[in-house]
Amino acid sequence: ELKVEQNPLFLSMQEGKNYTIYCNYSTTSDRLYWYRQDPGKSLESLFVLLSNGAVKQEGRLMASLDTKARLSTLHITAAVHDLSATYFCAVAPGGATNKLIFGTGTLLAVQP
Amino acid sequence: NAGVTQTPKFQVLKTGQSMTLQCAQDMNHNSMYWYRQDPGMGLRLIYYSASEGTTDKGEVPDGYNVSRLKKQNFLLGLESAAPSQTSVYFCASSRSSGRKIYEQYFGPGTRLTVT
Repeated sequence: ELKVEQNPLFLSMQEGKNYTIYCNYSTTSDRLYWYRQDPGKSLESLFVLLSNGAVKQEGRLMASLDTKARLSTLHITAAVHDLSATYFCAVAPGGATNKLIFGTGTLLAVQP
Repeated sequence: NAGVTQTPKFQVLKTGQSMTLQCAQDMNHNSMYWYRQDPGMGLRLIYYSASEGTTDKGEVPDGYNVSRLKKQNFLLGLESAAPSQTSVYFCASSRSSGRKIYEQYFGPGTRLTVT
């Protein structure tokens, strides 16, 4: 059974600082997704990572995938308050047609 | 282009009542999904449908049923609601073609409370 673990579960950081959120998964998969969720809102797709070594960047966020280590990271550079949200990674079990298993999420609070 | 829409947005049920959550997408996606989101547990897949007329169980299907009679609609039914089904329900859709992967697009959610 595929398990997806994120850490930390809660992250309070100051504006201007850098930090990394980690997503570990337990079985083989070459597809990983990052989503953002604002309080009371739906999920918004941030990144789709489809191969080992994939790196994608959007603004202050950069995501990477290491399929051999079964690890993805979401790096935040010079955080701003607008990045405060819950971030989820989601992994597709090998062989399944686009079925996703979500991590429990990381609640990011950026303090001014 | 509305994307993925869900009705209702909020619902309160009494234990034992039944209801259907509705989901529609206008992106011509093959695949559709129902998730529930509970505090501290992320999203858990209830059912999914890879194409019109087909459905499969996800992680937590007990107490639910689904219907995908039209490509654009995916219905989630609760036959006899229980307090444990109090949750936020999200519908999602995605393109799919064999094993080619595309991202999922989510609806705004339905907040369901069962008393």
